Amino acid sequence: AQSVTQPDIHITVSEGASLELRCNYSYGATPYLFWYVQSPGQGLQLLLKYFSGDTLVQGIKGFEAEFKRSQSSFNLRKPSVHWSDAAEYFCAEQGAQKLVFGQGTRLTINP
Amino acid sequence: GAVVSQHPSWVICKSGTSVKIECRSLDFQATTMFWYRQFPKQSLMLMATSNEGSKATYEQGVEKDKFLINHASLTLSTLTVTSAHPEDSSFYICSAKNWDLGGELFFGEGSRLTVL
Repeated sequence: AQSVTQPDIHITVSEGASLELRCNYSYGATPYLFWYVQSPGQGLQLLLKYFSGDTLVQGIKGFEAEFKRSQSSFNLRKPSVHWSDAAEYFCAEQGAQKLVFGQGTRLTINP
Repeated sequence: GAVVSQHPSWVICKSGTSVKIECRSLDFQATTMFWYRQFPKQSLMLMATSNEGSKATYEQGVEKDKFLINHASLTLSTLTVTSAHPEDSSFYICSAKNWDLGGELFFGEGSRLTVL
């Protein structure tokens, strides 16, 4: 069955430090992959997406993600986090019928 | 940009009553909308796919008589939780597919339901 795995449930980083959130997908030779951010009590906002082409995709708010087919991964990165980046982050993959989400990674920022 | 709005944002109701949540695409037409349920500190679980003018498609394990979905217009889908019970308390999120933007999904702000 199609699945998206985010191995880290909770990550804490210091403000200004770099960030990498991991995501592994399981479906399709040509996956459609997404990263979303959710602030508490809010809906989801799309950070970036990958359909094809350049494996390094740029998103909003200074985020980027790299698609690595050999590792079935689509990790999200940011060189320097800000306190406002504290939120829940979801990786997702478009399946044949529906969007499948990972379990989410909660990001906490230390001042 | 494309905006999806949910109403109400918060609702508290008594056990046994029914609650309706609306999902509107404000600046685009959405033939397909999706309803998700999210438990605290968990991911989004797809409940059903709502298609304008036809019956919704429910995911396995979701009671269609409990969670009534209506998509009567190209900009509005509603989710009605019938005879709500405390275990139905959750955060419900909708999304709408915008074909003008390549089928990208846009999410509503979510609706928190608390059943007393």
